[in-house]
Amino acid sequence: EPEVTQTPSHQVTQMGQEVILRCVPISNHLYFYWYRQILGQKVEFLVSFYNNEISEKSEIFDDQFSVERPDGSNFTLKIRSTKLEDSAMYFCATTGLAVNNEQFFGPGTRLTVL
Amino acid sequence: KNEVEQSPQNLTAQEGEFITINCSYSVGISALHWLQQHPGGGIVSLFMLSSGKKKHGRLIATINIQEKHSSLHITASHPRDSAVYICAANFGNEKLTFGTGTRLTIIP
Repeated sequence: EPEVTQTPSHQVTQMGQEVILRCVPISNHLYFYWYRQILGQKVEFLVSFYNNEISEKSEIFDDQFSVERPDGSNFTLKIRSTKLEDSAMYFCATTGLAVNNEQFFGPGTRLTVL
Repeated sequence: KNEVEQSPQNLTAQEGEFITINCSYSVGISALHWLQQHPGGGIVSLFMLSSGKKKHGRLIATINIQEKHSSLHITASHPRDSAVYICAANFGNEKLTFGTGTRLTIIP
């Protein structure tokens, strides 16, 4: 069964460093999302991406965050200058041909900022 | 404001018991999702529904659009059902708005 993959599974970084989280969506999916979950809290929406551009972003997704699809397969989330409060589990999710379809989640990347 | 509320926050039951987890939402939705999150953190989609009822194995999801309420039921619960169950909604757009989750523990 096709699945969403994410790398790395765990990233430890120093405050102020840049990190790039990578996602490989299911091949024929068109809608891509990043969510995050701070330990002990609920999952929060960060950004949605369709047709090579951001379709919606949350208040959390400030100028420190960016997304792109550099090679038509990978979908990346970059945090330019990490803060302690960026420590969380980051999930990539993808949806097929229509909005409001089932979302398929990757296994997550646990980001720890020291 | 688009909000999703779940209850209970924690639920402990004996193996074999019938389990019900409830979800309510604030305004009209286009779809309601039930998700399962295992201790390692991974999230799996269980159901997506916009009306009526869906069944998969021992899991049943129902939704009442008029009452803005959905339930997830587990019949003949088993220790392997222990996980966090999350209700999430599409409020007319593609992003999901999540509830806080229900931590279910099934004791053998």
